[in-house]
Order: sequence, then C-alpha cells, then structure tokens
Amino acid sequence: AQSVAQPEDQVNVAEGNPLTVKCTYSVSGNPYLFWYVQYPNRGLQFLLKYITGDNLVKGSYGFEAEFNKSQTSFHLKKPSALVSDSALYFCAVRDIRAGGSYIPTFGRGTSLIVHP
Amino acid sequence: GAGVSQSPSNKVTEKGKDVELRCDPISGHTALYWYRQRLGQGLEFLIYFQGNSAPDKSGLPSDRFSAERTGESVSTLTIQRTQQEDSAVYLCASGPFSETQYFGPGTRLLVL
Repeated sequence: AQSVAQPEDQVNVAEGNPLTVKCTYSVSGNPYLFWYVQYPNRGLQFLLKYITGDNLVKGSYGFEAEFNKSQTSFHLKKPSALVSDSALYFCAVRDIRAGGSYIPTFGRGTSLIVHP
Repeated sequence: GAGVSQSPSNKVTEKGKDVELRCDPISGHTALYWYRQRLGQGLEFLIYFQGNSAPDKSGLPSDRFSAERTGESVSTLTIQRTQQEDSAVYLCASGPFSETQYFGPGTRLLVL
C-alpha cells in the first residue's frame, strides 16, 4: 500500500522569506515522489520529482525538495517566496517495486499563501 | 508542443442527463489518467489507461461512470444519469509510461 500525508492545510509566509511545504509518505518499496502546483482555475502543473540519485531535487520556479528516506519525507522548499507562488501544492507518491501500483497517490494539498 | 487538452471546459447539465467529457493527451504518451477534484479537496483517482492493456477501473465510484480510450489517443469519460454529487472538476493527465503526469485544464461539471 502507498500513502502520502500533507499535514498542513495552509502555509502562510511573507514575501522574501523561505518557505517549506511538508510531505511524508509510506510505501512498501522505493518511492517515486512528485510535487505539483495548481494555480486557481487551472490544472495541476509538474514542479519536480525524485526517482533516484541526489536527495536534493531542483525543479521549476526556484523550488527544490529534499528526499529523506529515514524520515520518509519529501518537503518542498524555496529560499525566497514570491507572491506569485501562492497556489495549491500537491505531493504524490508511487511505489516502484515490482507489482506496485502505476497509479500515484496524491496528498490532500496544501494552500500556500505568500503575503506582500 | 501542445499540452493535454480537455473539452468542454465547462458543462452545466440537469440531474439525470448523461454527459461525455473528452481528453486529448500529449502525442506519444502511453499513460492516461482521469481524476475528480471536488471543491476544496484533493484528487480522487478514477481510471488509468496504459497502452493497449486493460484499464484500471478501480477508482470509478459507480457503474454510472465509464471511460474509453482508443489506442494511445483520445479518451472519453461518460457519466450516465448524473447526480448533484457528480459536480466537480474532472482532470485528465497523460504521461510517458506512468511517470510524470501532464495535466489538462480540467472540465468543470455542474449538475443542477
């Protein structure tokens, strides 16, 4: 079984400050991990993914995420937030073990609000 | 290149009517997913197509929901005898064999 948790419904941060959006996961094997962003009235847009290799993954718009196997986490970060980063962020996981599901499980989403 | 497109962008229908939603995936993408997103909620998986394999229908909420895909091209999601609880945004995503998903803009369905 696979699952993902986004413990915060909403994150508030001031423009220019660093931001973190939390994600933890559970899989039986090794994970594929993804972050997507959804702007108002739009579909989801891919930000970044971890499959293998370096634990720090860099993605679009200056975002990065760190894979931590011991803590089963994949938190999304950005050093300096912009008002335009305000959106809904979804973490997703897929178990890549043989026989694992090809269907990723999405978290419930975290609303990021960046204040001017 | 062109992204995933969905039509219609908005659909208002009366309870009990059938609706058909269309998804045009990115050319060459073998994987195609349908999701439902209710207002203020996360993504609810509906159905998954992979190439010519039998689709994974495990997420379809009732037998009123069905979907088809011809080869690796267009997919249609059909909801029969719509109910008010079917009101949601229906999202389609395609991808190169079940990795990164590329989402369409969604179809916003309102059942009156």
